[in-house]
Amino acid sequence: DVKVTQSSRYLVKRTGEKVFLECVQDMDHENMFWYRQDPGLGLRLIYFSYDVKMKEKGDIPEGYSVSREKKERFSLILESASTNQTSMYLCASSPGFGQYFGPGTRLTVT
Amino acid sequence: QQPVQSPQAVILREGEDAVINCSSSKALYSVHWYRQKHGEAPVFLMILLKGGEQKGHEKISASFNEKKQQSSLYLTASQLSYSGTYFCGTELNENRDDKIIFGKGTRLHILP
Repeated sequence: DVKVTQSSRYLVKRTGEKVFLECVQDMDHENMFWYRQDPGLGLRLIYFSYDVKMKEKGDIPEGYSVSREKKERFSLILESASTNQTSMYLCASSPGFGQYFGPGTRLTVT
Repeated sequence: QQPVQSPQAVILREGEDAVINCSSSKALYSVHWYRQKHGEAPVFLMILLKGGEQKGHEKISASFNEKKQQSSLYLTASQLSYSGTYFCGTELNENRDDKIIFGKGTRLHILP
């Protein structure tokens, strides 16, 4: 079975803090994604990567950056957290047909 | 570009059938379907490719009408375990990156 893990299930940070969300997949997938999920808005793509050190902006990249130094690991960085970044963050990986999601990190910025 | 799903929500009794629709304003290469149970991550159900056939397993199947840029998910004789939010995701091009755009979801609640 594909396994996608995320570093934290719940996270509380203060406004202005730098936040790192880690995602690791164990199936050698080339493609990895970061989404945020908010009620009524569905899943919105923040960034994705189709290869090591490659990254592409999704639909809502503002306020976020990413890093992919190794194939299995894709990190999402909030340079200076703001309250409007309070959300559920989901990581996914894909072999090219279908995406496999991690359990999510519920981030609260106070 | 976000696909539109309908209905937004549906309540059924166990054993009844449901249809969830997904439509796009752009030509599609593929349509994905996912189910998310409350408090859990979305789970991949199936993908339908341009030129492909209707897909499904057991009592959940889907169709893809390329000309109408629509896909429908069919849940037959629904079970309590089918409850959750269903998302379609659309892919415009045959790219290696598998980037898809998700709809806002359809909440399905099955009553015993």
